[in-house]
Amino acid sequence: RKEVEQDPGPFNVPEGATVAFNCTYSNSASQSFFWYRQDCRKEPKLLMSVYSSGNEDGRFTAQLNRASQYISLLIRDSKLSDSATYLCVVNRGNFNKFYFGSGTKLNVKP
Amino acid sequence: DADVTQTPRNRITKTGKRIMLECSQTKGHDRMYWYRQDPGLGLRLIYYSFDVKDINKGEISDGYSVSRQAQAKFSLSLESAIPNQTALYFCAIRDNNEQFFGPGTRLTVL
Repeated sequence: RKEVEQDPGPFNVPEGATVAFNCTYSNSASQSFFWYRQDCRKEPKLLMSVYSSGNEDGRFTAQLNRASQYISLLIRDSKLSDSATYLCVVNRGNFNKFYFGSGTKLNVKP
Repeated sequence: DADVTQTPRNRITKTGKRIMLECSQTKGHDRMYWYRQDPGLGLRLIYYSFDVKDINKGEISDGYSVSRQAQAKFSLSLESAIPNQTALYFCAIRDNNEQFFGPGTRLTVL
């Protein structure tokens, strides 16, 4: 079983739509959680960390459900510039190894 | 910004050739990582290093070797390249609990 699993998509949405991605992780010892954004052929960049109580950064909201071992990312009022692949990342707490999902591709269309 | 650089950015080589990918960082971080990315598989860890005297295998280290020549430099070598090592390679550092990536090296083995 993969450490981190994501729906590969693509999610095709119109501008202004709200879209949500989920990610599941297999190891209950995982302690730190992140969403990264990756544009085509570029390096991944941190979008936001995911905290136990949930957190929001502008149009982006991340939530964690430890009991069900999943993480979500909600994007409101989608922009064309949000088109990218979103990677779910977990770490077991020693920060030495990070486990990446294969990514969910988002296409925001005019 | 961790200022991670990678060279070369693109490389085409032939089966059986030895090739080295270089990674440098300017912020003095201890932990450095090498990943490869293949379509649909996400990022997979090849090797990681905690300091110049500490090298650890990741999940797919076979066929690769690394050298941590100094705190700032972490090189990845393919001793005898094979076509299934064609991939996008990323170097990364850990800063607190986040990872920052270099721009990547696109390697093609013919």
